[in-house]
Amino acid sequence: NAGVTQTPKFRILKIGQSMTLQCTQDMNHNYMYWYRQDPGMGLKLIYYSVGAGITDKGEVPNGYNVSRSTTEDFPLRLELAAPSQTSVYFCASSYREDGYTFGSGTRLTVV
Amino acid sequence: KQEVTQIPAALSVPEGENLVLNCSFTDSAIYNLQWFRQDPGKGLTSLLLIQSSQREQTSGRLNASLDKSSGRSTLYIAASQPGDSATYLCAVVQTGANNLFFGTGTRLTVIP
Repeated sequence: NAGVTQTPKFRILKIGQSMTLQCTQDMNHNYMYWYRQDPGMGLKLIYYSVGAGITDKGEVPNGYNVSRSTTEDFPLRLELAAPSQTSVYFCASSYREDGYTFGSGTRLTVV
Repeated sequence: KQEVTQIPAALSVPEGENLVLNCSFTDSAIYNLQWFRQDPGKGLTSLLLIQSSQREQTSGRLNASLDKSSGRSTLYIAASQPGDSATYLCAVVQTGANNLFFGTGTRLTVIP
């Protein structure tokens, strides 16, 4: 049972480039989330999804997009990367509001 | 908006000592509270989940309590070990929301 898998683990982007962070879960969880963690700060919610085809904004959605075409996958798209998007990104899933499971994170640097 | 605070930000204790980590939240309308552990450069590992109707949960040397009316939770670690060194994060799910509100964590160092 792999849980929540994120790829890549590390990435360096140049300002203005785009990329997609991948997230897959094999627990058949209906809820999935993307968080970012900045040094000395708590995790902040970027986007979440309560099921395939349904997504909604979190606290800090600007500069990001998501899609949820299947229960398993919840990719996060960065368009026109900016230095302010340098952060560690975590994907998580849960069965409704209970028992969140997190991936191991993607460390992104925008230069 | 829900605000979650963890005090202290950092804590250093000798091995074998019992310790308490504190978490407070501003809005008592929560669905549940969860404690996580985060090792440097790693993801989050769930330690304990307390539903809003519960007062405490225990797992091995860990005991978490919840006082919803006062907006407080504590994580008690018994007989601390160097392997307990990590950052401990507290998070709450707001009633009616689909979001974990996180504190900034307590960085624990257990000295052999």
